[in-house]
Amino acid sequence: EIVLTQSPGTLSLSPGERATLSCRASQGVNNNYLAWYQQKPGLPPRLLIYRTSTRASGIPDRFSGSGSGTDFTLTISRLEPEDFAVYYCQQYGSSPRTFGQGTKLETK
Amino acid sequence: QVHLVQSGAEVKKPGASVKVSCKASGYSFIDYYVHWVRQAPGQGLEWMGWINPSSDDTDYVQKFQDRLTMTRDTSISTAYMELSSLRSDDTAIYYCARAGNIGSVPDGFDIWGQGTMVTVPS
Repeated sequence: EIVLTQSPGTLSLSPGERATLSCRASQGVNNNYLAWYQQKPGLPPRLLIYRTSTRASGIPDRFSGSGSGTDFTLTISRLEPEDFAVYYCQQYGSSPRTFGQGTKLETK
Repeated sequence: QVHLVQSGAEVKKPGASVKVSCKASGYSFIDYYVHWVRQAPGQGLEWMGWINPSSDDTDYVQKFQDRLTMTRDTSISTAYMELSSLRSDDTAIYYCARAGNIGSVPDGFDIWGQGTMVTVPS
């Protein structure tokens, strides 16, 4: 089973700042099949990025993903008020498909 | 509009079973995998498994192998997740999610149901 470790656990930033979220895998993610999700309280997760760097439909271009192998990054170039939420990475290159434990992005 | 609509909240006694439904609309149900993910209160996301609605093939996380069953009814575009021998630590929101056009490369979960709260009092 691939274990995904996200860092930091909590990130405190202000609107307009740049956010960098990390996801490290315990072994290489096949075909870089890694996704990022955003979750707000009381709602299901929303797909932001898949295949490491492809934005899902309707996702603003301030969200970008990068990485390969075992190290992946989600970058939000300029934070908007609606971006403060919890973010999860997920690998789907092998079974079981595992999620990271999440990074909470909070307002500073 | 593509939607997954789940059944309502459930409260179950320890040892009982729960069956959650997930009705698809707005797309061809048999063309996409349906996955199930759960989230305990205040916790992260836990993947449980998937079903291929076309072939009825399934893949479950090993920890649930002996008490998890995923099924589907293609005539009503609905997937089901049944978890038996419930314990208090099964208390969670259960989500269904669509992912990956069958026959194509795997993809992220692009459509999610609204979630079903299952409570198992201790």
